[in-house]
Amino acid sequence: QVQLQESGPGLVKPSETLSLTCTVSGGSISSYYWSWIRQPPGKGLEWIGYMHYSGRNNYNPSLKSRVTISIDTSKNQVSLRLNSVTAADTAVYYCARDAFSSGGWFDPWGQGTLVTVSS
Amino acid sequence: DHQMTQSPSSLSASVGDRVTITCRASQSINSYLNWYQQKPGKAPKLLIYAASSLQSGVPSRFSGSGSGTDFTLTISSLQPEDFATYYCQQSYSTPSSFGQGTKLEIK
Repeated sequence: QVQLQESGPGLVKPSETLSLTCTVSGGSISSYYWSWIRQPPGKGLEWIGYMHYSGRNNYNPSLKSRVTISIDTSKNQVSLRLNSVTAADTAVYYCARDAFSSGGWFDPWGQGTLVTVSS
Repeated sequence: DHQMTQSPSSLSASVGDRVTITCRASQSINSYLNWYQQKPGKAPKLLIYAASSLQSGVPSRFSGSGSGTDFTLTISSLQPEDFATYYCQQSYSTPSSFGQGTKLEIK
């Protein structure tokens, strides 16, 4: 059974870069798409983007200029980098397996990690 | 971009009630509509994919229907563990987008 675990700093200063890692266990990262999704406290869900092990990716236009998603198949990890952060980027960040080639649903999800942007 | 609108935003119901939540897309998304349940402090959980397919392990009291622009999630007989927030998500085109959520509370 595939499990996902996000990790990274819980506090990032404004204008700096948010960096998170999602470690996938119980299955290979290859052959699947992997998405990052975020949720500001008390608010709804926002898709950030996806990455495929082949290198194919797609980002939400609202974040595209600031976001990079990468995959390390040797470590079975998916990483997220979001630069020039502001308080508006404070959110719980989730990674999820993306059934993009089947229909685009997200399952399973990691437990999420809260990132606060504050000086 | 496809905008997803859920109704109602909140709903009070009792154990045993039949509940329906609606999701409307701004443009046709065929059957590329998925439903999630989220409990406080937890990640969303996939309930229904492709509008009407029940995810493995999800109780059969959950069902989904619709195509095009109008979709529904129905819980046939509410159980105590069903009180949560529900989100729809369109996967017809990128950027994928979610409804604003429907909070289901105990009456």
